[in-house]
Amino acid sequence: DGGITQSPKYLFRKEGQNVTLSCEQNLNHDAMYWYRQDPGQGLRLIYYSQIVNDFQKGDIAEGYSVSREKKESFPLTVTSAQKNPTAFYLCASGRGLQETQYFGPGTRLLVL
Amino acid sequence: AQSVAQPEDQVNVAEGNPLTVKCTYSVSGNPYLFWYVQYPNRGLQFLLKYITGDNLVKGSYGFEAEFNKSQTSFHLKKPSALVSDSALYFCAVRGPSGRDDKIIFGKGTRLHILP
Repeated sequence: DGGITQSPKYLFRKEGQNVTLSCEQNLNHDAMYWYRQDPGQGLRLIYYSQIVNDFQKGDIAEGYSVSREKKESFPLTVTSAQKNPTAFYLCASGRGLQETQYFGPGTRLLVL
Repeated sequence: AQSVAQPEDQVNVAEGNPLTVKCTYSVSGNPYLFWYVQYPNRGLQFLLKYITGDNLVKGSYGFEAEFNKSQTSFHLKKPSALVSDSALYFCAVRGPSGRDDKIIFGKGTRLHILP
């Protein structure tokens, strides 16, 4: 069963804590993306990766970090420097930057 | 720079009526255009895309979109709306120039189908 999985579905962060959101795909896609979705603001690109061991900042990278050690995995860490992390986070993948993106089910991050 | 606009935050349509969700874009050269749908607390689902060829593109769930180069538009349409079509719809675009051009998403249009 191919697709993109994200975990956990809900995540709670305490003040000053780093948390990591998981994204895994078995579609053999080269490109992977992280987006943040806030009500009324659409999707905003946080980071993206075209190939393993390489990634670029998107429009709102401050307070976030990523790694791409394996083709199928692209975890996102929300650091304590991100002062307003409450949002719905979406991971996507595609064959290349110009190709159709396929999305995971999302992780909702809440601050305690 | 490429951009995409969805001029309506919300569209209300009675069940059984035709629906249109508007999208306009700005790119240098020929665009690649996409529509996605998002149901509550879910990821985006791909509906359809235009790359080249016939200006009328057919997609999933009975949706279609018409590419109009002179008006730089790519409106999403469906002949007869269903209550289950109620969702958030995103238009996306990318231009052909450069290997690093990314897909840009609009802010979304919330579609309400009234029973």
